[in-house]
Amino acid sequence: DIQMTQSPSAMSASVGDRVTITCRASQGISNYLAWFQQKPGKVPKRLIYAASSLQSGVPSRFSGSGSGTEFTLTISSLQPEDFATYYCLQHNSYPFTFGPGTKVDIK
Amino acid sequence: EVQLVESGGGLVKPGGSLRLSCAASGFTFSSYSMNWVRQAPGKGLEWVSSISSSSSYIYYADSVKGRFTISRDNAKNSLYLQMNSLRAEDTAVYYCARGGSFPFDYWGQGTLVTVSS
Repeated sequence: DIQMTQSPSAMSASVGDRVTITCRASQGISNYLAWFQQKPGKVPKRLIYAASSLQSGVPSRFSGSGSGTEFTLTISSLQPEDFATYYCLQHNSYPFTFGPGTKVDIK
Repeated sequence: EVQLVESGGGLVKPGGSLRLSCAASGFTFSSYSMNWVRQAPGKGLEWVSSISSSSSYIYYADSVKGRFTISRDNAKNSLYLQMNSLRAEDTAVYYCARGGSFPFDYWGQGTLVTVSS
């Protein structure tokens, strides 16, 4: 099974900060990686698919990069509505696996 | 507009059974694989099961294998999850999510399953 790790597990940031979250796969997954944002009590929302493609309707301050085993989600200028938990997901092979999440809160 | 609506959650005793449903609309259901994902209270997301568009391929997480059964009815645009031998650790919000080449683009609102005596 492919294990997914995320770093950091939590972070405090200020509005306007550049935020980078890293996701690592225990083996190569090509670009079969997606990023999700989840706010408390809400349904997860896909931000990025195929590692670097921006979901329609998602602000351009979100971007994804990487391939193989290392991936990043970048928020270029953090906005108040971006405080949330972020998850990566590999769907290269079954069982699909989510990363443990990165909680971004207000500094 | 794509919509996924789960139902069937509730309170069940350990060892009991429950059947979740997910009603799909706004897309050609029979052309997409489908997934179940769960989230225990205060925890992260966990993939549970997937089924291909024609039900030919089915996959389960080890944590539910042998206890849960995923199925679909393309004529009714519906996805199901039969959950047997339920345990306290199965307590979670269960989401259905659309599959496809770039899966998990659409999610239902979730249905809460609580396993407790």
